Amino acid sequence: GQNIDQPTEMTATEGAIVQINCTYQTSGFNGLFWYQQHAGEAPTFLSYNVLDGLEEKGRFSSFLSRSKGYSYLLLKELQMKDSASYLCAVDNAGNMLTFGGGTRLMVKP
Amino acid sequence: DADVTQTPRNRITKTGKRIMLECSQTKGHDRMYWYRQDPGLGLRLIYYSFDVKDINKGEISDGYSVSRQAQAKFSLSLESAIPNQTALYFCATSPPYFSRDGEHNEQFFGPGTRLTVL
Repeated sequence: GQNIDQPTEMTATEGAIVQINCTYQTSGFNGLFWYQQHAGEAPTFLSYNVLDGLEEKGRFSSFLSRSKGYSYLLLKELQMKDSASYLCAVDNAGNMLTFGGGTRLMVKP
Repeated sequence: DADVTQTPRNRITKTGKRIMLECSQTKGHDRMYWYRQDPGLGLRLIYYSFDVKDINKGEISDGYSVSRQAQAKFSLSLESAIPNQTALYFCATSPPYFSRDGEHNEQFFGPGTRLTVL
């Protein structure tokens, strides 16, 4: 079976750093995606990890440990516009994605 | 112009009615997907299609059917809508999968259709 867990909600302060964790147990693994989704809008791609380690993209970084079935998304210098849901998704069979329930991040002034 | 479009954007219907949600894309992708999203449950795959002649059931296909009319068009039908099909529906597309390390093929999502079944 497929199981992807991430916290339901997080709150952080503008300008701070926040880490959103994702743990997974899937029958296959071809990479892990993070998507951002603002309320009522489409998910948009943030990052992809297939090898262990950290991938950095501006204020956003994503980390993967395949042996531990663990990933995190790190958001630095938080801005109000970062208030959104963050979706962790595992590609477990050639671009077939299984999504976690999403983490709703609220950034406060 | 949007690369992946969905119509309608909002729909309210009654139990037992037949509903069709349409998806069109100009990205030239072969692969298309239909998901539904419910609060706290993330996105769940209903059906997917890797080319015009290929249709596959996803995790939650019961009560739904699809049609791939062309490379650019993928429609989702609810033959007899029921209230627990009230959800946000997303269409997505992706290019063919490549297995080389470091290569990935993200899915591109349409704007969504909010469906309410009374």
